[in-house]
Parts: sequence; structure tokens; C-alpha cells
Amino acid sequence: EADIYQTPRYLVIGTGKKITLECSQTMGHDKMYWYQQDPGMELHLIHYSYGVNSTEKGDLSSESTVSRIRTEHFPLTLESARPSHTSQYLCASSGTGGSGNTIYFGEGSWLTVV
Amino acid sequence: GENVEQHPSTLSVQEGDSAVIKCTYSDSASNYFPWYKQELGKGPQLIIDIRSNVGEKKDQRIAVTLNKTAKHFSLHITETQPEDSAVYFCAARLMDSNYQLIWGAGTKLIIKP
Repeated sequence: EADIYQTPRYLVIGTGKKITLECSQTMGHDKMYWYQQDPGMELHLIHYSYGVNSTEKGDLSSESTVSRIRTEHFPLTLESARPSHTSQYLCASSGTGGSGNTIYFGEGSWLTVV
Repeated sequence: GENVEQHPSTLSVQEGDSAVIKCTYSDSASNYFPWYKQELGKGPQLIIDIRSNVGEKKDQRIAVTLNKTAKHFSLHITETQPEDSAVYFCAARLMDSNYQLIWGAGTKLIIKP
């Protein structure tokens, strides 16, 4: 079982609100990721980090931002939410070496912007 | 860069029958090919992977085959059960590197009772 946790699991917020999706892992993994996914659809990488103070944008352009101040914590922030941000956001992590090939996912945060 | 195509997008099979999902990749340098299963309301989970130095790998009812020459790999599920219903994703990358996994678009597998 993966030890990666996301909060909140479900969130409904109004347009223009600022939100932060929390993600924590207890596996000591250096690499962490945020994916955006519409239900049952493709996984789109929006942010990733290879370690503390390292963040990169993924393949899918996103108006969200991330930070990596601690190894175990990788929060995602939307400064001003819009209905187009409605989606599921999946946080993930992976280690290094041979075991680093496996990506562990959290259970996702479902965001609805009204 | 790498590109992964996955087919079919939806697959419906009778319980007890076999299911096969196929993926093709474009970058011949890729040498690691995992399969993830995503159940409803959960994040994807690794179910099996294969490295380019082997042609087939089995784990109980699940198997993956790799054809490096043709650059395609397939997931085989035998004796399907209702709990196999999920979305399955294939992926490819250069193993043990900092390159990102390149994902297929997913296959929704439906097991009919």
C-alpha cells in the first residue's frame, strides 16, 4: 500500500476563490507529481518535483502553482479558481534507483468550481 | 519525444473470457513498460511491468508481452472477473532515468456478468 495522502478528497468552491490541494507522502520519495484527470480519461502531468526547492511544469499547461519546501509535502495552489479548473487532481510520488520506476498515486482530489 | 498509443478505448468482455489491451510506442530507446489499473474513485496502481530485456512476464491471471521490433506491448487478462472492471493505462519510458513516464490514453474494461 502506498503512503501518499491527499486532502481534501472533494471540494466545491466558487469562482475566484483561492484553493490549495494538499499532498503528503511518508515514503521519503524525492520525486513528486501532480496529474490532472477528467473521470476515466487521460492522465495529464501538470507539475513535478525532483526534490526540495525543485519544481517544473509538466506537459499540460496549468494555471496552478506548486511548492516543495519539505520532501514529504507537495501542495498545489490555484490563486483564482474558474469552472474550467473543475477536474480530478492526482498527486503521486516515486523513489530513486530500481524502485523509482514505480509511481505511487494518492486517491485524488475532486475539485468542482461553480 | 516518446508517444504511446493505446487501444481499444473501451473493451467489454464476458466474465470468464480473456481481455487484451494493446499499446504501441515510438521511441526505441524506451525500455520500461508498466501497466496501471485505476478503479473507480481511486488513483492508478501498478499491476505489472516489463523491461525490454524480456519478452513476457506473468503474474497469476495477468501477463504482459513485449515486441521490441514492432514497438508494441500488450496486457493480457485471463479468466476475467467482475473486479477486473477498471480503467487500464499503459506507459513507457527510459528506465532508471529522470525522464517522465509517457502514458497511453487508457482503456475502460467492462466485465459483463
